[in-house]
Amino acid sequence: QKEVEQNSGPLSVPEGAIASLNCTYSDRVSQSFFWYRQYSGKSPELIMSIYSNGDKEDGRFTAQLNKASQYVSLLIRDSQPSDSATYLCAVTRRVNDMRFGAGTRLTVKP
Amino acid sequence: GAVVSQHPSWVICKSGTSVKIECRSLDFQATTMFWYRQFPKQSLMLMATSNEGSKATYEQGVEKDKFLINHASLTLSTLTVTSAHPEDSSFYICSARAFLQGYQETQYFGPGTRLLVL
Repeated sequence: QKEVEQNSGPLSVPEGAIASLNCTYSDRVSQSFFWYRQYSGKSPELIMSIYSNGDKEDGRFTAQLNKASQYVSLLIRDSQPSDSATYLCAVTRRVNDMRFGAGTRLTVKP
Repeated sequence: GAVVSQHPSWVICKSGTSVKIECRSLDFQATTMFWYRQFPKQSLMLMATSNEGSKATYEQGVEKDKFLINHASLTLSTLTVTSAHPEDSSFYICSARAFLQGYQETQYFGPGTRLLVL
């Protein structure tokens, strides 16, 4: 079992729709959870962080965490073509130990 | 967010030469930096963890004598690819450890260095 698992996609949604990206992790002691966005040919950019169960909203982005189910998700409301990118889920288990998922490629079609 | 720079952004070199890549944290001190490699359409692969003032910790399968890492200050880590060969051509990305809200550890990435070895 991979430490951080994501559906590789591609996930395709129409412009204006809600994009839902999912991630599961294997280590129950994981403490911090992050979503990074990576455009093609660019490096990852931190877009959301979440540490406690529940939802965290930032603009069009909502991160959801369920530690009991070892599940973290990212919702993108009113998806725009500029949101088309690969989204990486990252989980920190302990100091200097952040693990990345392989990423989900999202395409938002105009 | 915290800013991390990398230099150069692009490098083309002949096989057998050495290439040095710099990673700088511009507006914060980073006691720990990380070096990743990413091949086209693949995920990030952690190569090593760079600690200021001490030896780097390499991931399994990464040759420490080929990928030399120096972290001489709180804002600078360097990766030297020695005797580069075409199979070393890749996108090299550094990141620096930072703390959100003062205590939650995360990583901020540099823009990456694309290496092409001919």
